[in-house]
Amino acid sequence: EIVLTQSPGTLSLSPGERATLSCRASQSVSSGYLAWYQQKPGQPPRLLIYGASSRVTGIPDRFSGSGSGTDFTLTISRLEPEDFAVYYCQQYGDSSYTFGQGTKLEIK
Amino acid sequence: EVQLVESGGGLIQPGGSLRLSCAASGFFVSRNYMVWVRQPPGKGLEWVSVIYSGDNAYYANSVKGRFTISRDISKNTLYLQMNSLRAEDTAMYYCAREGHREFTDWGQGTLVTVSS
Repeated sequence: EIVLTQSPGTLSLSPGERATLSCRASQSVSSGYLAWYQQKPGQPPRLLIYGASSRVTGIPDRFSGSGSGTDFTLTISRLEPEDFAVYYCQQYGDSSYTFGQGTKLEIK
Repeated sequence: EVQLVESGGGLIQPGGSLRLSCAASGFFVSRNYMVWVRQPPGKGLEWVSVIYSGDNAYYANSVKGRFTISRDISKNTLYLQMNSLRAEDTAMYYCAREGHREFTDWGQGTLVTVSS
């Protein structure tokens, strides 16, 4: 089973700043099978990025995904107040899916 | 509009059984890969099970042999039969539609609490 490790666990930033979230896999992940989600309290996760770098329709272009192999990154170019939430990466391999433990993005 | 509505959660004693339902609208569950994902209170997400269009199903090791995923085409509904429940199964259970190995649409979830 592929283990995904997200860092940092908590990221404290101010609106307008740039956020860089990391997701590292224990073995190589097909880029087509790496996704990012945003979750706010009391809500289900929302898909932001799939295929490592493809943005879901309707997701603002300040969100971008990159990476390959074992290292993937979610970047939020200029934080808006509504972006403060928990972010998860997720991968698929061998009929199994795993999530990272999450990065909490909080207002500084 | 795609919509997923889970139901069937509640308080259950350890060792008991529960069946969760996920009613879909706006698409056909029979033509899509469907999954269950759970989230213990205050913790992260854990994939539980997937059912593919040919009715092949796969499970996380933590639930294998205890949980069964299925669907009723006539009701356009996904199910999760949960047996031999344990305290560690306590979580919000979400159903979701899979796109290309990512989860594109989610329900609001149903809470399962396993406690005596």
